[in-house]
Amino acid sequence: EPEVTQTPSHQVTQMGQEVILRCVPISNHLYFYWYRQILGQKVEFLVSFYNNEISEKSEIFDDQFSVERPDGSNFTLKIRSTKLEDSAMYFCASRGTFSSYNEQFFGPGTRLTVL
Amino acid sequence: KQEVTQIPAALSVPEGENLVLNCSFTDSAIYNLQWFRQDPGKGLTSLLLIQSSQREQTSGRLNASLDKSSGRSTLYIAASQPGDSATYLCAVRPAAGGGADGLTFGKGTHLIIQP
Repeated sequence: EPEVTQTPSHQVTQMGQEVILRCVPISNHLYFYWYRQILGQKVEFLVSFYNNEISEKSEIFDDQFSVERPDGSNFTLKIRSTKLEDSAMYFCASRGTFSSYNEQFFGPGTRLTVL
Repeated sequence: KQEVTQIPAALSVPEGENLVLNCSFTDSAIYNLQWFRQDPGKGLTSLLLIQSSQREQTSGRLNASLDKSSGRSTLYIAASQPGDSATYLCAVRPAAGGGADGLTFGKGTHLIIQP
């Protein structure tokens, strides 16, 4: 069964460093998302991406964040200068076709620890 | 702003019992509602998706209902098993168009099934 994959599973970085989190969505999907979950808190929407541009972003997704689809398979989230409060689990998700009924499928997540 | 609440926050029941998890949302203008399962330190597994025009969906021992006008959904688990132990998350997708399809999540119900 096709699935969303994410690398790395765990990333440790120093405050102020740049990190790139990588995702490979399900191959025929067209809509891509990033969410985050701070330990003990709700899963929060960050950004959605379609047709090589951002279609929606939350207030969390400030200028420190950027997303990119550098090739036909990868979808990345970059945090330019990490802060302690960026420590969280980051989930990538994808959805297929133009049908609005299609569900979002989530990857296993990348745990980001900022020291 | 959409708010999703899940009750109870935690539930512990003996194996074999039928149980109901509750989800409520403040804005009834939703496109669909998804129920997810999250195991500790893991990603989100989609269980059921109910479209806004539907009243319920079933998958195996799981049945989800939706009352959009009152802003409520329930997840019914029949004949619970220890393997059902996990956190169950409810998420809604807004009805607004223009690519706004980021999910709003509840905090989840932490379920423990005692053998």
